[in-house]
Amino acid sequence: EPEVTQTPSHQVTQMGQEVILRCVPISNHLYFYWYRQILGQKVEFLVSFYNNEISEKSEIFDDQFSVERPDGSNFTLKIRSTKLEDSAMYFCASSEQGITDTQYFGPGTRLTVL
Amino acid sequence: GNSVTQMEGPVTLSEEAFLTINCTYTATGYPSLFWYVQYPGEGLQLLLKATKADDKGSNKGFEATYRKETTSFHLEKGSVQVSDSAVYFCARADSNYQLIWGAGTKLIIKP
Repeated sequence: EPEVTQTPSHQVTQMGQEVILRCVPISNHLYFYWYRQILGQKVEFLVSFYNNEISEKSEIFDDQFSVERPDGSNFTLKIRSTKLEDSAMYFCASSEQGITDTQYFGPGTRLTVL
Repeated sequence: GNSVTQMEGPVTLSEEAFLTINCTYTATGYPSLFWYVQYPGEGLQLLLKATKADDKGSNKGFEATYRKETTSFHLEKGSVQVSDSAVYFCARADSNYQLIWGAGTKLIIKP
């Protein structure tokens, strides 16, 4: 069964450094998403992406964040200058269609900012 | 507002007990509703979904019925197992491509 994959599984970085989190969505899916979950808290939407552009973004997704689909398979989330409060689990998801369709999640990348 | 509210956890049950985890939502219209499960140390997995009023989603013995009258999507299982121990998230689709999540309910099943 096709699945969403994410790398790395765990990323440790120093405050102020740039990180890139990588995701490979399911191949025939058209919509891509990033969510984050701070330890013990609610899952929060960051951004959705369709047709090579951002469809929607939350207040969390400020100028420090960017997303890119550099080729036909990868979908990346970049944090330009990490802060301590960026430490969280970051989940990538994809769906074949839009709002009524199921979003399939990757296993997540645990980001630890020191 | 637009929100999803779940019963607070943890919920602790004995094996073979009946499970209900309440979920209510606020929304305009009739959004698709979902239950996701997160097993210890793992990512989010879709458990079941319902895309319109009165639909019943079911999977692995879990069920949830989309009730528009009470704006609810309660998760039920007739006989839980230790392996069902996890965090359960109720979510609804938003018109802008995102999922709106409940806070999650931790379920602990004791043998």
